[in-house]
Amino acid sequence: QKEVEQNSGPLSVPEGAIASLNCTYSDRGSQSFFWYRQYSGKSPELIMFIYSNGDKEDGRFTAQLNKASQYVSLLIRDSQPSDSATYLCAVIEGGTSYGKLTFGQGTILTVHP
Amino acid sequence: DGGITQSPKYLFRKEGQNVTLSCEQNLNHDAMYWYRQDPGQGLRLIYYSQIVNDFQKGDIAEGYSVSREKKESFPLTVTSAQKNPTAFYLCASSILSGLGYTFGSGTRLTVV
Repeated sequence: QKEVEQNSGPLSVPEGAIASLNCTYSDRGSQSFFWYRQYSGKSPELIMFIYSNGDKEDGRFTAQLNKASQYVSLLIRDSQPSDSATYLCAVIEGGTSYGKLTFGQGTILTVHP
Repeated sequence: DGGITQSPKYLFRKEGQNVTLSCEQNLNHDAMYWYRQDPGQGLRLIYYSQIVNDFQKGDIAEGYSVSREKKESFPLTVTSAQKNPTAFYLCASSILSGLGYTFGSGTRLTVV
C-alpha cells in the first residue's frame, strides 16, 4: 500500500511565526506534489504544487521537496489566524499517466493571536 | 464561470436505501474523481474516470457505483451495501496530468 504520511497535529503557532508542515511518501517514483488547505466543513483548495527538488516560493508559502529523502514540506511565514485550517499533502504516484492523487491524513494548524 | 457543482449539499439516507450524489463540471476536464472524507481523516479515492464510458475503482469502491455517460457528469450512487456511508463526499476534476485539480463544494451524507 503506497502511503502519504503527515503528522495530524494539532500544530499550534503564535501569530507572526513560521509554521512548518511535513509530509513523507512511500512511492519513490512519485512525480508531483501538492499542498491543499481545507477549512472546516469546506472543500480543499490548492495552495502550492512542486515537481522538482528544492524550494518553491509563492508569497508567504514555500514548498520544499527532497526526492532522495521522500519528503515534502510547506513553510508558512508570518502566520495569521486566517491560516488556521487543515493542510493536506497529496502526491501523484509513479507510473500513473493521469492525475490520481493520494492524500495524507492532514495536519491541523492553529495560529493563535 | 467555470467550476464543478455538487448537489445536494446535505443528504440523509435511510437504512437499506440507495442514494445518488450529483457532480457536474463545465471546465472541459477529461478526468473526474470521487473522494470520501471521514472526520479527522484525509481523502480516500472511491472511483475515478479518465474518459466517457470508462471508470476505475479506487481504494474504497465497495458499496459504491458510478457512471460517466457525459464528459461533464460523474454521479456517485451509494448503495445499501455500503454499511457505513456517513461521510463528506468530494467530487473533483482535472486535466489528465493532474494539473488544475478542482474540487466541488462537497455533499455531506448522513444515515438516519
